[in-house]
Amino acid sequence: DTGVSQDPRHKITKRGQNVTFRCDPISEHNRLYWYRQTLGQGPEFLTYFQNEAQLEKSRLLSDRFSAERPKGSFSTLEIQRTEQGDSAMYLCASSLGVSGNTIYFGEGSWLTVV
Amino acid sequence: QKEVEQNSGPLSVPEGAIASLNCTYSDRGSQSFFWYRQYSGKSPELIMFIYSNGDKEDGRFTAQLNKASQYVSLLIRDSQPSDSATYLCAVKGSGYSTLTFGKGTMLLVSP
Repeated sequence: DTGVSQDPRHKITKRGQNVTFRCDPISEHNRLYWYRQTLGQGPEFLTYFQNEAQLEKSRLLSDRFSAERPKGSFSTLEIQRTEQGDSAMYLCASSLGVSGNTIYFGEGSWLTVV
Repeated sequence: QKEVEQNSGPLSVPEGAIASLNCTYSDRGSQSFFWYRQYSGKSPELIMFIYSNGDKEDGRFTAQLNKASQYVSLLIRDSQPSDSATYLCAVKGSGYSTLTFGKGTMLLVSP
């Protein structure tokens, strides 16, 4: 499968714990995005990378959230001191860095904070 | 703030009918428009995109764009029960690399 890959697919954690999600984009895609989606809502943009540079962050991305893409390939999204409001599906997506090119999503990582 | 509006539905159509899904957007500078399909518990799947005013057809799907009215729609011909899903409209603004999504419209196709 050469699509966007995310791990883990499901995570249940206790409030206050840290969690980390990993995303492997489609090979040769230099842009990588993180979105968050809650029930009944569309995906909300969190942050995006072009190669290893983090070019944009949403104000939704509080200081408990950090994302990295150290070598311009895979990316990690860490949430520190999780809260129940962090429960959501975290979606990773990638695209080629060409104007107008489409964004393809991974299968998502479900987070439940109890 | 960029906004994308969709009727949440559900939109119910009988099998074989045409389903019409609508979307409006606030950013007049928006350049690219996308329709994604999302089954319950799954991630969004790209159906089609449109950049220019007018219609674009792909199989049973037709996207329609009217930039003057800031309106984009998706028509699904010969609707099938397997088309039952939430349809997300997404917009990419000029100079932006990211997508802004609507909340989606749930489509129910009854056999």
